[in-house]
Amino acid sequence: DGGITQSPKYLFRKEGQNVTLSCEQNLNHDAMYWYRQDPGQGLRLIYYSQIVNDFQKGDIAEGYSVSREKKESFPLTVTSAQKNPTAFYLCASMGMGNQPQHFGDGTRLSIL
Amino acid sequence: SQQGEEDPQALSIQEGENATMNCSYKTSINNLQWYRQNSGRGLVHLILIRSNEREKHSGRLRVTLDTSKKSSSLLITASRAADTASYFCAPATYGGATNKLIFGTGTLLAVQP
Repeated sequence: DGGITQSPKYLFRKEGQNVTLSCEQNLNHDAMYWYRQDPGQGLRLIYYSQIVNDFQKGDIAEGYSVSREKKESFPLTVTSAQKNPTAFYLCASMGMGNQPQHFGDGTRLSIL
Repeated sequence: SQQGEEDPQALSIQEGENATMNCSYKTSINNLQWYRQNSGRGLVHLILIRSNEREKHSGRLRVTLDTSKKSSSLLITASRAADTASYFCAPATYGGATNKLIFGTGTLLAVQP
């Protein structure tokens, strides 16, 4: 089945540690997105990529980094510079034109 | 891109009743999308209405769009306990280098059995 797979489902980070969240899609979508969601809040855009080897900062990019070396993959690294990383992270992809976004089931990141 | 603002923030109804959620936005759009999020899960796309459409139906869902008022509504008829979720609208403006959606804080719908 086509879709988006995020892993792991739960992740714990120690102080000073970088962690990487995985996002893979087999929908052949060009655009991919990373969002952060805090409890009871909406989604805030971290980074997005509309084509391989290119990405743009969203509204809250500080403390995060991404890469887009393959069309199928858009990993997000939460660096030690992100002082409040505890949140629910969602990855999405979108096809060409006026299409809806497809979401993964998220990764919940917590601090040890 | 622009943010949709949903209203109300929270809504509690009995099973079988209808639920109406509203969305307002600020500038012109290509389409407006509604999504549902069950607790602890990703968002699921429900319905997309284009700027030249005024109403769209999908099963128990009815979406209206009034571009003159820059507003949309989502009606869920004959609600079920399984409809309990957060609902988000996302106004979409495509073109140039910015194909992205900005989501609001959503409406939390609780359907009591």
